[in-house]
Amino acid sequence: EIVMTQSPATLSVSPGERATLSCRASQSVSSNLAWYQQKPGQAPRLLIYGASTRATGIPARFSGSGSGTEFTLTISSLQSEDFAVYYCQQYNNWPPQLTFGGGTKVEIK
Amino acid sequence: QLQLQESGPGLVKPSETLSLTCTVSGDSISSNNFYWGCVRQPPGKGLEWIGSIYYSGSTYYNPSLKSRVTISVDTSKNQFSLKLTSVTAADTAVYYCARHVRVGATCFDYWGQGTLVTVSS
Repeated sequence: EIVMTQSPATLSVSPGERATLSCRASQSVSSNLAWYQQKPGQAPRLLIYGASTRATGIPARFSGSGSGTEFTLTISSLQSEDFAVYYCQQYNNWPPQLTFGGGTKVEIK
Repeated sequence: QLQLQESGPGLVKPSETLSLTCTVSGDSISSNNFYWGCVRQPPGKGLEWIGSIYYSGSTYYNPSLKSRVTISVDTSKNQFSLKLTSVTAADTAVYYCARHVRVGATCFDYWGQGTLVTVSS
């Protein structure tokens, strides 16, 4: 089973600043990685797939990078609506399995 | 616009079976391109993939839940259903229905709003 580890667990950032979130896979997942944003009381929303491709309607301030075992989600200038929990998900060994990371909470500093 | 809607009891007793139905609207569940999945989230915790089903009935399950999970599909009703047996308090969670592509970028692009299921006597 591929284990996905996200760091840090919580990131405190001021509005307008850059946020950098990390996701590490226990073995290579190539570029088969997605990022999601989840706000309280809402379902997750797909942000990035293929490690770096923004999903439809996602603002350009969200960018993804990395391949293999190390991945980064960058939010270039945090807006008030960006404070949320972010999850990575690998799909390299689909089928049969899909795996999420534990999440990073981005909070207001 | 594709929509997924979860429905089912909000309270299940320990050792009993949790049942959830996901109704798809705005697209056919019989599409060649997509799997239909279930994801759960315990209160205050992260996301856990439970399993996925293709319209043909082909299924894949999370190994950690496989012995207790069954996902089935009813194409005539455009629905798929989750059954989780022998539940405990650890199964208390918000349960989501979601769609992902069959091949390629297998990530979840549409989600239901989720439904909280509490396991308690």
